[in-house]
Amino acid sequence: DGGITQSPKYLFRKEGQNVTLSCEQNLNHDAMYWYRQDPGQGLRLIYYSQIVNDFQKGDIAEGYSVSREKKESFPLTVTSAQKNPTAFYLCASSTTGTGTTGNTIYFGEGSWLTVV
Amino acid sequence: AQSVTQLDSQVPVFEEAPVELRCNYSSSVSVYLFWYVQYPNQGLQLLLKYLSGSTLVKGINGFEAEFNKSQTSFHLRKPSVHISDTAEYFCAVKGGYNKLIFGAGTRLAVHP
Repeated sequence: DGGITQSPKYLFRKEGQNVTLSCEQNLNHDAMYWYRQDPGQGLRLIYYSQIVNDFQKGDIAEGYSVSREKKESFPLTVTSAQKNPTAFYLCASSTTGTGTTGNTIYFGEGSWLTVV
Repeated sequence: AQSVTQLDSQVPVFEEAPVELRCNYSSSVSVYLFWYVQYPNQGLQLLLKYLSGSTLVKGINGFEAEFNKSQTSFHLRKPSVHISDTAEYFCAVKGGYNKLIFGAGTRLAVHP
């Protein structure tokens, strides 16, 4: 089945450690995104990538890093510089056309990160 | 800049009653609007979207929404809700570079 796979579903991290969240898609989508979700605040964009080997900062990129070496993969690293990393992280993807299909963004099942 | 305001953070309703979840947007460019649903500890699932054409959009699970350009609104409705509709609902507008800008969400609680 086509879709977006995020792993792990639950992750615990000690303060001061970096952690990487995996996101893989087999939808052949060019664009990929990372969102952070906090209770009562909706979703906020961390990073996005329109094409392989290129990515841009979103609204809350500080303390995060990404790479886009392959079309199907867009891992997110939460660094020790991120002051409040405990949150639900959602990966998404879409085509980049301007037609009907290109305007729909599909989401993975999310990853819970807890800093202990 | 584009933004989305969901006017109700929580909406309690009895089973089989109608419901409306309100969404207002601001956008200076062509408007593409979306409603997503999120069940506990899951990702977001697309309910429906407005890209162009008819202002009444029908989605999955019996939901529909009406695009009103003069009132800059995109309210979500369902004539008769079920317990299984209990979830969080997000309204979103498409920004530049195909990004989505989300509202804060509305928690729909359906009671028996």
